[in-house]
Formats: sequence, structure tokens, C-alpha cells
Amino acid sequence: EAGVAQSPRYKIIEKRQSVAFWCNPISGHATLYWYQQILGQGPKLLIQFQNNGVVDDSQLPKDRFSAERLKGVDSTLKIQPAKLEDSAVYLCASSLSLAGGRETQYFGPGTRLLVL
Amino acid sequence: AQSVTQLGSHVSVSEGALVLLRCNYSSSVPPYLFWYVQYPNQGLQLLLKYTSAATLVKGINGFEAEFKKSETSFHLTKPSAHMSDAAEYFCAVSRRLAAGNKLTFGGGTRVLVKP
Repeated sequence: EAGVAQSPRYKIIEKRQSVAFWCNPISGHATLYWYQQILGQGPKLLIQFQNNGVVDDSQLPKDRFSAERLKGVDSTLKIQPAKLEDSAVYLCASSLSLAGGRETQYFGPGTRLLVL
Repeated sequence: AQSVTQLGSHVSVSEGALVLLRCNYSSSVPPYLFWYVQYPNQGLQLLLKYTSAATLVKGINGFEAEFKKSETSFHLTKPSAHMSDAAEYFCAVSRRLAAGNKLTFGGGTRVLVKP
């Protein structure tokens, strides 16, 4: 079974530029998550989709971050404009469904972003 | 609100020695608890999870964890460390909210295995 795919794996941009990350979840997984992992910290949830609808985006900085999951499969996370503090690894995860909190989330390899 | 505290950001063990990683949680309702491992430049991989069945949970690669409600702890252990166990380990708590399934991670513990 193929895992969660993410691209690109690495990205270097200058502040105020824009950047987009792509995620393809495990086939059949209804729930998709985007996390931000700053160096030396645990991942922090940015946004969660159930199919193509947003379930939780309370931690997403909506003035600069946006995400979509058209057709309930692939997802794109965008940052515009980027700030220095956005330097982090962006992890995508997926799970089968919202099964009361006990579902396992499967993670992709992440996109490492460096903002100069 | 739920939270996770991992005691010790770095742990150094000798090959063959016991690995003990500490995790304490805070949750107003019975939690679901997870341990994930992250190897360099990779995503997170599930080691094991507690979902209110047996309090002693066995996972992959010889790891196990014990849920202790009275101590609000979910410590991870492995009897004998291997060089391949060098990685970062994250404890996480999950709770079903009205608006979804929120996974909150601790700060992580980096394990160094000495030959």
C-alpha cells in the first residue's frame, strides 16, 4: 500500500514570496491533516479536512496560510507572503475517518521549508 | 484542554541498555494516547497506541508502554536498545472534539544510542 506522498521535499524561498505544498493521502482515507513542525518542537495541527470540507482550522494563520482539498483527495497548502518564522517542516497526514479519536494518523515525509 | 509533557528533550543510552522515555498527559476525559517515532528527514511512524483496552500496550520494534491513569502517565520502554533506535520520539494525546479529532504532541525526546 502506498503511503502519504508529499512534494516538494525541500524548498528555499525569500521572505514575502509565496510557496505551495502538495499532499496525496493514502487511498481511501477520508481525513487529511496538515501539521507544522518547527525545529525542536512537536508537530502542531494547522488544518484538518474531512473529505473536501474543513473540520478544524483554528490554528491556521489565515492572513497568510490557505489550504484546499478539492474533490476530497489531494490537498494543497499555500503560504503567501512567507515570513522568516514560517521556516519549518510541513507534514501531511491522513486517516480513514473520524472514529472517535482512536484513529491512527499516517504521516508523509514532510516538506522542509527555509525562508531567508 | 489537553496537553502532553515529555520529560527530557535528549536521552543517551548504551546499546543493550534499557530505554525509558517519559510522557505525562493532561486531559479532562479518558484519553487516547500514541507514541510516534521520527527518523531523520522522515515523517512520523506509529510505534503503539492506547485506546482504553489493555493498559500495557505492545508496539513495533520491541517497544511497549503502560497507561497509568493515577499518574496520568504513558511511559515508553524497550528492554535493550539497538543502534537503529536512534531517533526522535513523540508522545501524543487524541480526543474527539465536537469539530474533529485533535492530536496534540509533546515536544519530543531525541534518543542517542552509544555503542
